[in-house]
Amino acid sequence: QSALTQPASVSGSPGQSITIPCTGTSSDFGTYTLVSWYQQHPGKAPKLMIYEAYKRPSGVSNRFSGSTSGSAASLTISGLQAEDEADYHCCAKVGGGTWVFGGGTKVTVL
Amino acid sequence: QVQLVQSGAEVKMPGASVKVSCTAPGYTFTSYYMYWVRQAPGQGLEWMGMINPSGGYTTYAEKFQGRLTMNRDTSTSTVSMELTSLRSEDTAVYYCARALTMIPRNDAFDFWGQGTQVTVSS
Repeated sequence: QSALTQPASVSGSPGQSITIPCTGTSSDFGTYTLVSWYQQHPGKAPKLMIYEAYKRPSGVSNRFSGSTSGSAASLTISGLQAEDEADYHCCAKVGGGTWVFGGGTKVTVL
Repeated sequence: QVQLVQSGAEVKMPGASVKVSCTAPGYTFTSYYMYWVRQAPGQGLEWMGMINPSGGYTTYAEKFQGRLTMNRDTSTSTVSMELTSLRSEDTAVYYCARALTMIPRNDAFDFWGQGTQVTVSS
């Protein structure tokens, strides 16, 4: 299964909004609902930020939002803060109940 | 409080095997799928496979078919991952993770272990 495609890096100033795209073939995204996003700070385990494309787990700031369109998903961070500087990974469920990740995007807060 | 605790770092020779364990106290072990994900140095995450702790059924990524075995021990709430025929490209941090919602949902990876460094070097 080929990986999903994400930009290597995205940057923004504090208070701004940024969007991270995640693209793949239609077979990667299936019904476009089982897409999740993970935040990872250096040396730490990933943290679930968005599941089922747009749902936030309890405790995750509403500054984080997810969406899908066609064969792409995206994560938007609004009101960018210094603590948001991290790597972000998208993930989609594909055929046979397996999963595939994107290559990860480094978010830099300028 | 859900906490996944993994075994310690390993250094292996090429061609050897490695087994990493993940103990999951604090919830009903057999009610949630468990997954293994790895991350090579400076790279993204890579999904390896999953196990149903209730029946022991497994699904592996095609890339690891024939080299990867996942097991569970319900008496100790532990899942394990064994990777054989190791090569340098298998050097990575290996994570276990639990599903967000109960079986039969297979929806996202909620709780994560602390990670286990596996180094393959001669």
